[in-house]
Amino acid sequence: EIVMTQSPAALSVSPGERVALSCSASLSVSTSVAWFQQKPGQAPRLLIYAASTRATGIPARFSGSGSGTDFALAISSLQSEDSAVYYCQQYNKWPLTFGGGTKVEIK
Amino acid sequence: QVQLVESGGALVKPGGSLRLSCAASGFPFSDYCMTWIRQAPGKGPECIAYITYSSYSGSTIFYADSVKGRFTVSRDDAKNSLFLQMSSLRDEDTAVYYCARDRLRYSSSWIHDYWGQGSLVTVSS
Repeated sequence: EIVMTQSPAALSVSPGERVALSCSASLSVSTSVAWFQQKPGQAPRLLIYAASTRATGIPARFSGSGSGTDFALAISSLQSEDSAVYYCQQYNKWPLTFGGGTKVEIK
Repeated sequence: QVQLVESGGALVKPGGSLRLSCAASGFPFSDYCMTWIRQAPGKGPECIAYITYSSYSGSTIFYADSVKGRFTVSRDDAKNSLFLQMSSLRDEDTAVYYCARDRLRYSSSWIHDYWGQGSLVTVSS
């Protein structure tokens, strides 16, 4: 199965700052990567698919990039409501696999 | 609006069985592929079972190796419901179980745009 590795595991950022999260695939997955946001006690929420396409209703401050094995999720100006765990997922090949997550905390 | 509501989670002993249900509303359920995804405490999600929409050359089903031979996914389009029959349960099956919808109608994108709120399954003696 394709292993998705996320870094860093956690970070603490001040409101208004830019955040960049990384995700690396063990094999090329083309652009078949999605990003999810999960807050405590809630289901994951789809943010980005096809590596860089924002899902319906997602604010423009969220952007995705990458192809092949290296991907990134950027939040241009962090808001307090962005405090959450972020997961990347590949959907190029079954089994679909998720990374271990990056926890973003607001300072 | 799209709603997915899971039910059936419980505390069960190792080796036991359980059936989860997912009631769908707000969209033409029969036209969408569906997936069961679980999340163990403190871990990332894991896709465990996927079923295509019924008219897709008869339903095609995929399972993760971790549940193959023990779990069975099915759907009842007349009742807008998705099911997961779980047997030979193990401690490591303890997780919140979500049902999720594929983003595209009449297609299989493997992109999940709507998730239920989850149902907790605890396997413990």
